[in-house]
Amino acid sequence: DGGITQSPKYLFRKEGQNVTLSCEQNLNHDAMYWYRQDPGQGLRLIYYSQIVNDFQKGDIAEGYSVSREKKESFPLTVTSAQKNPTAFYLCASSIALGQSNQPQHFGDGTRLSIL
Amino acid sequence: AQRVTQPEKLLSVFKGAPVELKCNYSYSGSPELFWYVQYSRQRLQLLLRHISRESIKGFTADLNKGETSFHLKKPFAQEEDSAMYYCALTGNYGQNFVFGPGTRLSVLP
Repeated sequence: DGGITQSPKYLFRKEGQNVTLSCEQNLNHDAMYWYRQDPGQGLRLIYYSQIVNDFQKGDIAEGYSVSREKKESFPLTVTSAQKNPTAFYLCASSIALGQSNQPQHFGDGTRLSIL
Repeated sequence: AQRVTQPEKLLSVFKGAPVELKCNYSYSGSPELFWYVQYSRQRLQLLLRHISRESIKGFTADLNKGETSFHLKKPFAQEEDSAMYYCALTGNYGQNFVFGPGTRLSVLP
């Protein structure tokens, strides 16, 4: 099953440590997104990217960073500044952001826990 | 501000009963509305979108601009419909998606 691949499936972080979550897509989509999923809160947008070498903050970007050096890849780094990083993280992609009715395709997610 | 609300965290119905999952939104322009579904141990996936006016797996949803609602309906629920359902909105130029908190549908035998 291709499309979007997130790794690892489970990740543990020590206090004060940065960790990077991987997201790769082979759908040739221009736009990529990172969401955080917490119980009872739905999906909240962390960062999104419309094109290579460009990305924008979402609603809850503090404590996170991203890069978009390649079209296929959009890694998310959870920094030590993120005080409550324990959550389920979902990556998604879609055809170029400007085409309004194109739905998002999601990965399987990464569950991050603090040791 | 864009916002999507789903008032029910959990909805339980018996097999064969009608089901309606409620979704209300606030948006200043003309939004595009979607329903996403996440079955157990599967990834989040698109169920249907209002612009297509389609029926998927027996589900339909009508955009009511007057009531700012996009409720998901199915006349006869099946056990395999048990899943987490998210309503989502995006602007008419494909701006960020905004997701509701989700409703867990449980169809009882």
